[in-house]
Order: sequence, then structure tokens, then C-alpha cells
Amino acid sequence: EAGVTQSPTHLIKTRGQQATLRCSPISGHTSVYWYQQALGLGLQFLLWYDEGEERNRGNFPPRFSGRQFPNYSSELNVNALELEDSALYLCASSGGRDFDTEAFFGQGTRLTVV
Amino acid sequence: KNEVEQSPQNLTAQEGEFITINCSYSVGISALHWLQQHPGGGIVSLFMLSSGKKKHGRLIATINIQEKHSSLHITASHPRDSAVYICAVRRGAQKLVFGQGTRLTINP
Repeated sequence: EAGVTQSPTHLIKTRGQQATLRCSPISGHTSVYWYQQALGLGLQFLLWYDEGEERNRGNFPPRFSGRQFPNYSSELNVNALELEDSALYLCASSGGRDFDTEAFFGQGTRLTVV
Repeated sequence: KNEVEQSPQNLTAQEGEFITINCSYSVGISALHWLQQHPGGGIVSLFMLSSGKKKHGRLIATINIQEKHSSLHITASHPRDSAVYICAVRRGAQKLVFGQGTRLTINP
């Protein structure tokens, strides 16, 4: 069974541009979570999608947004990129509305803003 | 003070040693996760706990809800166990709060 897949694995953008990151959850999982791990910092919660709707978001500005498609895959969009947006972005999926079920993480997308 | 504190931040040991990583949290939780992050960033979920103890191979995780504390133990440690181990707690609204991680290095 395929795990959580993220694309691209690496992304280089210039300041002010937009970045789009993609995540495909494990088959059957309806919840997708996005996290940011900036260099030297811990994981920070970004967004949670379930059944196509945004259920919760972390303490990030509105230029961080996303969506979940009918097949439960998800996109994270970062507009007006800033240098400090350079980070590893991780996606996780779980089996439903309850993160108390096992969560599975993708390998991440490393975004570099220059 | 962070809601989730891990100790130690860095740990270096010799192959075969028994390893303990600790996690303390300051809020009520419904579940605690132990995660393993390898160089390059990939994360593997090791355990999810809400009470008691779980074992998987050489890994053991325990949690004491009353004391708000969890430990991750590795028996007969091996260089391939070298990674960052992250404790995360779930509290409200599906949000996980992460510890800063413990960087474990096992030397041959």
C-alpha cells in the first residue's frame, strides 16, 4: 500500500513568488494535515483538512492557504513568498476526524526561498 | 515554557546501550505520539499512546497521564536508530503540539 506522497521533494522559488505543494494521503484516509518545520525549529501545525473542508489552522498568515480535493488529496499554497518561508513542509494523513488514530507522514517538500 | 518539553535535546551513546528519551507536557491531552525523523526529513509514526505502555520490536513507549510524562525506550540500540525523536501531544481541535525533538546518535 502506498504511503503518504508529497510533491515536489524540493522546490526553489524567489521572494514574492507563489509556491504550490501537493499531498496524496493514504488510500481511505480523509484527513490531511500540513506542518512546517523551519531550520532549527520544531514542527508547527499549519492546516487541517477533512472531507474537503478546512477544519483548523495554525498561527500562520493568510498567505498560507490550501484546499482538499474530492479524492482527499491536498494542496498547500504559499503566496508572496518570504525568505523565512524556507522550510520543510510535511503532510500527514489519518483515517478520519480523529488524530487519535495512527497518523502517517509523507517525506516532505523542502522549500527554499531565495 | 513550551507545552511539550523533551529531554535530553541531544544524546550520544554506544551501540547496544539502553536509551531513554523523556517527554513532559503541561496540558490535558487525549493522545501522545512518538515520531522518528531521519536525516532528509521523512517522519515515521512510532507509537500513539493514551495510557499504559506499548512495545514494538526494540522500542517501548510508556505514558503516565497523572504525571503528564511519557518515555521512549530503545533496547540494544543500533546505529540505524540514529535519528531525531519527536514527542507530540493532541489537544483539542485536532491540533498536535510538538516537542523540539531529541537528536539521538548511536556510535558503532
